[in-house]
Formats: sequence, structure tokens, C-alpha cells
Amino acid sequence: KNQVEQSPQSLIILEGKNCTLQCNYTVSPFSNLRWYKQDTGRGPVSLTIMTFSENTKSNGRYTATLDADTKQSSLHITASQLSDSASYICVVKQSNYQLIWGAGTKLIIKP
Amino acid sequence: ETGVTQSPTHLIKTRGQQVTLRCSSQSGHNTVSWYQQALGQGPQFIFQYYREEENGRGNFPPRFSGLQFPNYSSELNVNALELDDSALYLCASSLGPNPGGETQYFGPGTRLLVL
Repeated sequence: KNQVEQSPQSLIILEGKNCTLQCNYTVSPFSNLRWYKQDTGRGPVSLTIMTFSENTKSNGRYTATLDADTKQSSLHITASQLSDSASYICVVKQSNYQLIWGAGTKLIIKP
Repeated sequence: ETGVTQSPTHLIKTRGQQVTLRCSSQSGHNTVSWYQQALGQGPQFIFQYYREEENGRGNFPPRFSGLQFPNYSSELNVNALELDDSALYLCASSLGPNPGGETQYFGPGTRLLVL
């Protein structure tokens, strides 16, 4: 079954600290993997997209990694800010139009 | 702001009623995808419209239907509303019908509550 599982479900860290969110998938055939940030009550915003051949991709303080062999991805946030409080969703593309979405990790940054 | 707008922002309906949600895509985008997002869950793909035709559909019953207009704006219609239809409905527009390759830009969503 094609699935995307994210961990942890929720995370609370202090402002300025780093954190890493995990995404494991069983989607096949794999095309690419994307991380989205979704603020409460808003639509998701794309952070990074990685294809099979890419191991790491950065977008400012966000760095995503991909291990296509183990079917794992991570999103590392450096020097967290209060505005990083959001849900982070991992999405794997399976076919021309079908995307398999994870349930997301809810991240709360405390001052 | 992504340039994708949705209306209304919030809506309350009762079981059995019908609802129409609207989405205006970003300028230049010819593809619109609709998603249902239950509280605490990731978005679930409903269907996609490309140049006024349905281009793909997720695992949703026929009472979920859609439309895309010549200006590429889109509607999502849900008939015979059920309590489980309560969710945030997201619209995403993209330059082409390949959302994995093309970046999707999401609207703010319509929050539907079915009582």
C-alpha cells in the first residue's frame, strides 16, 4: 500500500534551536518528494522538491534530505524562529497526477 | 500570497444539503486541483482539472463533482452532504497537469462545517 508516514506527530522546541522532522514512504514507483509548510488555516506552501537523484536540497534555514534506497526523507530546520510554527507535510509523487500526502508534523516554537 | 483565491472562507451546512466552493487560479495557470483536508490530517486529492476537463480523480464518490471555466477558475460541488464532509477544502493551481513536476500554489481554503 502506498503510504507516507511522518514523525513525530507534534514537536515543541525553543526559539533558536534546531529540529529534524522525518518522513518514511512506501510509495512506488517514486518520482519526487516535496516538503510543504502549512500555517494554521492557510494553504500549504512548497519548501523543497527532490527527485530520485538528489540527496540534499536547501531553502534558507530549511534543509531536506532524501535517501531513495531506504525511502526516507528528513527536513532539518536551523535556528528556529517563532514564524516556523506550522505543520510540515511530506508529499510523494506516485503518478502523473496522484500525490500521496503525509499527515504532517505539527511544530510549535516557544519563545 | 499565492494569487489563488477561494470563496467562501467559511461555510456551515446541514446534512443532505448541497454546496458549491469556488477557486480562482493564479494568472497563467491552466490546471486546478482540489483537496479535502480533515482536521489533523494531510490533504486528500479529490480531482484535477486541466483546460476545462477532469484530468484525474482520487478516491471520492460521484457526489463530489467539479467544473473548470474558460478562464481556468473552478468550482467544487458536493451533493448530499454528510457529517464527514466537514473539512478544509483546498484548491491548488499550477502551470500544467503534472503537479509532481509543476509547483502547485494553494489558496487559503474553504472551511466547511456540516451539522
